[in-house]
Amino acid sequence: DAKTTQPNSMESNEEEPVHLPCNHSTISGTDYIHWYRQLPSQGPEYVIHGLTSNVNNRMASLAIAEDRKSSTLILHRATLRDAAVYYCILPGSGNTGKLIFGQGTTLQVKP
Amino acid sequence: EAQVTQNPRYLITVTGKKLTVTCSQNMNHEYMSWYRQDPGLGLRQIYYSMNVEVTDKGDVPEGYKVSRKEKRNFPLILESPSPNQTSLYFCASSFAGFNQPQHFGDGTRLSIL
Repeated sequence: DAKTTQPNSMESNEEEPVHLPCNHSTISGTDYIHWYRQLPSQGPEYVIHGLTSNVNNRMASLAIAEDRKSSTLILHRATLRDAAVYYCILPGSGNTGKLIFGQGTTLQVKP
Repeated sequence: EAQVTQNPRYLITVTGKKLTVTCSQNMNHEYMSWYRQDPGLGLRQIYYSMNVEVTDKGDVPEGYKVSRKEKRNFPLILESPSPNQTSLYFCASSFAGFNQPQHFGDGTRLSIL
């Protein structure tokens, strides 16, 4: 299974943009890059996913490097409710639907 | 409201006493799976199901059973729980397992004494 590498923690000020990086140098050509977040005492929540080009939805944007070995999750205006652990995830091998969760990045948002 | 519902949310029990954690989704999803989350180990997949009557092992299936008799339900069964199964459990579902957003329940915290 391919692995991802993220910083353990990051801080942001409220209402400022946040860029959460992820390295995935062993990604295969057909792997989508997924991002989930986990708020305290809740289950993981889907944020966004993409294959090659940049992706936008109501929650965030995903910028994928041209070589696909890294990506960045962008929260355009962080709020206190965005404080969570953010996971950059590649699917497990074998088409099982398994998501490989690493340790993620703990995002702190300061008022 | 689209959701994945797990019950119970919390359970303290003793070694060897069979228990079932239920999982139900109301989104007509074909794919369902179970994860456990442990400090320092992240989330690990226990079992998954691509559709009704189709189940398969994930990375840590020992000590667990599942069944998928109807599309909406995917119970996790611990026939003889042991203390090393003390963990936080999450059920997830999606339209299809591969490259589809997955919806997670709020978790079940099990303590096996």
